[in-house]
Amino acid sequence: DIQMTQSPSSVSASVGDRVTISCRASQGINSWLAWYQQKPGKAPTLLIYAASSLQSGVPSRFSGSGSGTDFTLTISSLQPEDLATYYCQQSKSFPITFGQGTRLEIK
Amino acid sequence: EVQLVESGGGLSQPGGSLRLSCAASGFTVSRNSMSWVRQAPGKGLEWVSMSYSGASTNYADSVKGRFTVSRDNSKDTLFLQMNSLGAEDTAVYYCALTENWSGRGSYEYWGQGILVTVSS
Repeated sequence: DIQMTQSPSSVSASVGDRVTISCRASQGINSWLAWYQQKPGKAPTLLIYAASSLQSGVPSRFSGSGSGTDFTLTISSLQPEDLATYYCQQSKSFPITFGQGTRLEIK
Repeated sequence: EVQLVESGGGLSQPGGSLRLSCAASGFTVSRNSMSWVRQAPGKGLEWVSMSYSGASTNYADSVKGRFTVSRDNSKDTLFLQMNSLGAEDTAVYYCALTENWSGRGSYEYWGQGILVTVSS
């Protein structure tokens, strides 16, 4: 199985800050990586697919980069509504695996 | 508008069975691959199973042999039959739709989730 490791596990930032979340795969997954946002008590929503493609309707302050084993989700200017847990997910091979999540708090 | 609505969750005793349903609207189930993803209380996301549009399936090792995913295309509904339930199966179960698994490998739409609790 491909293990997905996110860092940090939690981050606290202020409105307007630039925030980066990392995701590392235990083996190469090309660009088969997606990022999801999960707000408290809600279902996940897709932010980024194919490592760097922005899902329709997602604000442009979200961006993704990387390929192979190392990936990054960036929020260019943090907004209060970005309070959530963020997950990466690989689809290179089954079983599909998610990172453990990064909890984003607003200072 | 695409909507996924799960039902069938609740309380089961250890060793028991439950059948989850995911009713879809706004798209044709037969044309899309769909998955079940679960989330234990306070934990992260865990992929459970995939039902491809071509009827083949795939399962996580943790549920293989106990869970069966199926679909009724005439009713645009996805099912998850869960047998031999254990405490480790306690979770919110989400159904999720992929519009283009082979091209994007991501889940564009999610249901609201349904809680399954396994306890005596």
